[in-house]
Amino acid sequence: GAVVSQHPSWVICKSGTSVKIECRSLDFQATTMFWYRQFPKQSLMLMATSNEGSKATYEQGVEKDKFLINHASLTLSTLTVTSAHPEDSSFYICSARESGIQPQHFGDGTRLSIL
Amino acid sequence: AQSVTQLDSQVPVFEEAPVELRCNYSSSVSVYLFWYVQYPNQGLQLLLKYLSGSTLVKGINGFEAEFNKSQTSFHLRKPSVHISDTAEYFCAVKGYGGSQGNLIFGKGTKLSVKP
Repeated sequence: GAVVSQHPSWVICKSGTSVKIECRSLDFQATTMFWYRQFPKQSLMLMATSNEGSKATYEQGVEKDKFLINHASLTLSTLTVTSAHPEDSSFYICSARESGIQPQHFGDGTRLSIL
Repeated sequence: AQSVTQLDSQVPVFEEAPVELRCNYSSSVSVYLFWYVQYPNQGLQLLLKYLSGSTLVKGINGFEAEFNKSQTSFHLRKPSVHISDTAEYFCAVKGYGGSQGNLIFGKGTKLSVKP
């Protein structure tokens, strides 16, 4: 089945640093990638959607200058949390889809802890 | 726009008992329907999907779901659960095409299987 690899799985860093999370589709070309944030015991909140070669579309309330998304190729998207603060601590999950009718496949998530 | 309601936030059940996890949706357009499972500290894994055709869909790990258009439901069932089925289950809908094409998740149902 389709595999999405997300790296790193766990990050602990100091407040004020920037953190980059990678999302790769390993066996298919992902025309669209999604980034979600999940708070403890809650559902996934869509942060942004990106199509390869285009600027990401951010959901309402998500700061695009804080959460930088790059989707430069059909197999790689990155999320950079800039100047991270403790309130940015969360579980971030990426997802990729080959085409509109295909289901989304999810990475294993990245747990980000900002001290 | 679409919305998803998972009626039970937690479902405790004994091993080998049957289980049903309820999901209702609302949408002004036709939808695709999905069930995902999330194990602790992991991303989401697709259990099954309804795109068209037979309203009874079978997925992995012995799960099945039935699409009921008149009741706008897509309940997930398993006739006999195992300890290993303990996880969070998310129902999701996706409208046909365009801006309605993103997955909308329910809040999740935590299934706890007890020996």
